[in-house]
Amino acid sequence: DAGVIQSPRHEVTEMGQEVTLRCKPISGHDYLFWYRQTMMRGLELLIYFNNNVPIDDSGMPEDRFSAKMPNASFSTLKIQPSEPRDSAVYFCASSLYRGGNSPLHFGNGTRLTVT
Amino acid sequence: GQQVMQIPQYQHVQEGEDFTTYCNSSTTLSNIQWYKQRPGGHPVFLIQLVKSGEVKKQKRLTFQFGEAKKNSSLHITATQTTDVGTYFCPGSSNTGKLIFGQGTTLQVKP
Repeated sequence: DAGVIQSPRHEVTEMGQEVTLRCKPISGHDYLFWYRQTMMRGLELLIYFNNNVPIDDSGMPEDRFSAKMPNASFSTLKIQPSEPRDSAVYFCASSLYRGGNSPLHFGNGTRLTVT
Repeated sequence: GQQVMQIPQYQHVQEGEDFTTYCNSSTTLSNIQWYKQRPGGHPVFLIQLVKSGEVKKQKRLTFQFGEAKKNSSLHITATQTTDVGTYFCPGSSNTGKLIFGQGTTLQVKP
């Protein structure tokens, strides 16, 4: 298996622009997680899905952030409009079972810079 | 919600010295996982501990789960420069969320 695949690896955009991050989980994994990592706040959970259904989005910072999982092999995290404080590394991860019961497999991340 | 506190946040050691990081939970954990993230990389799963008092070893790394299942530790014997990175012990909630936090960042001076 190729592992969790994220795109793009790097994204540089101007404030106010829409940003879409993409993730392909490992085939057969029922859980998908979106995390954001910054120096100040560490690795924060934004949202997670089970069988394509959002289960907990309490970590999504504000309405500018939205996430979808239209099918078992694809998820997007969208920021509209983007702001400089959104600059971070965004990781997607998937797991076979619910978090804590099986390992999380992370993608390589998307480094987002908003100027 | 459930929180796992990890200490120290940063540690600098000389190559060859030992290193230990600790995780403490306010509530009983069903299990605990450990991950390592190399600089510029992504977190990679190391191990999962399930049983009270469990001890597992991976070469120079020793993982322990407390008897009360409220704390855990990772001990590295004779650190090497390849041990550099951030170590996480995420806690899981009843809803399946894995909370990672800041982790412990280890620097090893050659």
